[in-house]
Amino acid sequence: GAGVSQSPRYKVAKRGQDVALRCDPISGHVSLFWYQQALGQGPEFLTYFQNEAQLDKSGLPSDRFFAERPEGSVSTLKIQRTQQEDSAVYLCASSSRTGSAGELFFGEGSRLTVL
Amino acid sequence: GQNIDQPTEMTATEGAIVQINCTYQTSGFNGLFWYQQHAGEAPTFLSYNVLDGLEEKGRFSSFLSRSKGYSYLLLKELQMKDSASYLCAVIRGSTLGRLYFGRGTQLTVWP
Repeated sequence: GAGVSQSPRYKVAKRGQDVALRCDPISGHVSLFWYQQALGQGPEFLTYFQNEAQLDKSGLPSDRFFAERPEGSVSTLKIQRTQQEDSAVYLCASSSRTGSAGELFFGEGSRLTVL
Repeated sequence: GQNIDQPTEMTATEGAIVQINCTYQTSGFNGLFWYQQHAGEAPTFLSYNVLDGLEEKGRFSSFLSRSKGYSYLLLKELQMKDSASYLCAVIRGSTLGRLYFGRGTQLTVWP
């Protein structure tokens, strides 16, 4: 596709439900990142994939958060047993470069509201 | 996080010039980005600085001083559509897409 596509754009979950957020990066982009953006804050890093390998997951806030990218393209961020503090916009970004600073292309995000 | 500081809000009028400052801790520094984010939309790339000096791109310019841990984004000939949040983001270490963002500066441009 022309840009990074995320779905759903909006998700409302009851506390304790599991949610799955999908990211379709720009075709051919090797690197994929997930960020979490709380209201009024800048995005915070969650995890990073290079192709299908998850190279850094140090930003995941708890073991309820899990991300995968099994075939090196589409990625899914899963949040189990959602809590109110998980309410945020989850941004996915992709980049074509691995060995040098490349521009990150962000999707519009998935806004999660946990009631 | 990571002590990236920028003003929370700024206002200016159409046609004016505005400078948004960003300061950061210099340890592990490996480059600095500026992004623009309209409400409810994706952050979009404005500029990237890794060496000292000024990078100019149309109405927008970005400056970096590595030794001082300081950058600014300069917006000229302001337009109403420039009303947005401007995010300063720093790269540290070797994961070059792992950005440490400031909280963003909400710029409002008045007619």
